[in-house]
This record gives sequence, C-alpha cells and structure tokens, in this order.
Amino acid sequence: GESVGLHLPTLSVQEGDNSIINCAYSNSASDYFIWYKQESGKGPQFIIDIRSNMDKRQGQRVTVLLNKTVKHLSLQIAATQPGDSAVYFCAEGDYNFNKFYFGSGTKLNVKP
Amino acid sequence: GAGVSQSPSNKVTEKGKDVELRCDPISGHTALYWYRQRLGQGLEFLIYFQGNSAPDKSGLPSDRFSAERTGESVSTLTIQRTQQEDSAVYLCASSLVGQNSSPLHFGNGTRLTVT
Repeated sequence: GESVGLHLPTLSVQEGDNSIINCAYSNSASDYFIWYKQESGKGPQFIIDIRSNMDKRQGQRVTVLLNKTVKHLSLQIAATQPGDSAVYFCAEGDYNFNKFYFGSGTKLNVKP
Repeated sequence: GAGVSQSPSNKVTEKGKDVELRCDPISGHTALYWYRQRLGQGLEFLIYFQGNSAPDKSGLPSDRFSAERTGESVSTLTIQRTQQEDSAVYLCASSLVGQNSSPLHFGNGTRLTVT
C-alpha cells in the first residue's frame, strides 16, 4: 500500500498550549486527506478533512494545513485540553474512490 | 443505530480455529472497509467494498483471510486457522463515495486474541 508516515510518534504539551501534529504522505495523486482521533478502546473519530484544492481549512479549535509541494499535512489544535489526549492519525486517499491509507499515528499527551 | 456497529467487541480463540467478525455499516453508505490495528500501531488496510464493484482485496495478508458483503449492508471478515500473529483489533468503517463523498466512519472494532 501507500506510505503515510508521521514525524513525531509522541508529543507532550501543556494544557492551554497549541499542538502541531505533522504527517508526510507519499502519493502525489492523493487528493483527499483526513485527520482522525483515536481514544483508547475506541475506533478512530473524524476530526477534519481537506481536499487538495485547498491549503488550509479550519474547524473548531483545529486547523489542517496541506502543502502539496512537499507532500506534508499538519493538524493544529488550539488551546489543547486534557480531553485532546489521544492518538492522531492522518489518512490520504482519492476523493472519488474513497480508499484510504493511514499512518502509524502520533500520541498526544496533554499535561495539566 | 446511527453508527457503524461491530460484533463481537471481544473474541478470544484458540490457535487453529476459525473466527468470523461482523460489521453493520451506516445505512446508505456504499463503501465498506476493513482495517487491522495491532497494539500501538496504525491502521493496516485489508479490504474495501464499493457498491457492486469487485472488492479490493489487495490488503489481505494471506489466503486465510476473506470477507464478504451482502449488497450494501452487513459484511463479515473470516479468518481461518487463526495464528497468534492475527491478534489485533479489527476495525470496520463505512462511507459515502461519489459527489457527496464522506469521510470514513469507524466502528469500535473487534479485539481478537488468539491463544
């Protein structure tokens, strides 16, 4: 399958700080990218997505940035809260066929 | 229910036995996926069903693994002659594909333990 990887396997941040989780993808043909959050014992939950015709998209406290030139994706979480502690995965795929490959994930630890 | 449902939530089996895992996708979702997640690792693609098209089985690790889907509803993942390395969480997801594509919606998985 395609290779989707993350730069940092573990990230520790102080409550209230901003978090940035990075992801590198390998398939330049991918045109749809999604960030998921996975809490212990649960399936991944959708956070935010972005299509390749955009380079930035904002949600509630989260922003996704896409740099197609270097095939890099990042998730920014503003004012990180203890409830944000989880493993975060990026996924790349084809919007029309919707087949996705996931990276190995980054564990986010939020210290109170 | 409104979400993807998987059963059983936990399964313990002896090496060499066959197991069958079930996934009920969100109603109306045309695409269904199975992923495997080993402890502390990412999601490994197994198989993908989309409408009436032939499934993409490119991720199945061996011929002991197979999956079926009835129309656009329930799917079963079968693992024959289970091995200890099959121990993992098996995740199912569904989505809409096409002009109104949606992100994948995951169930909570089946945790398989092979003893």
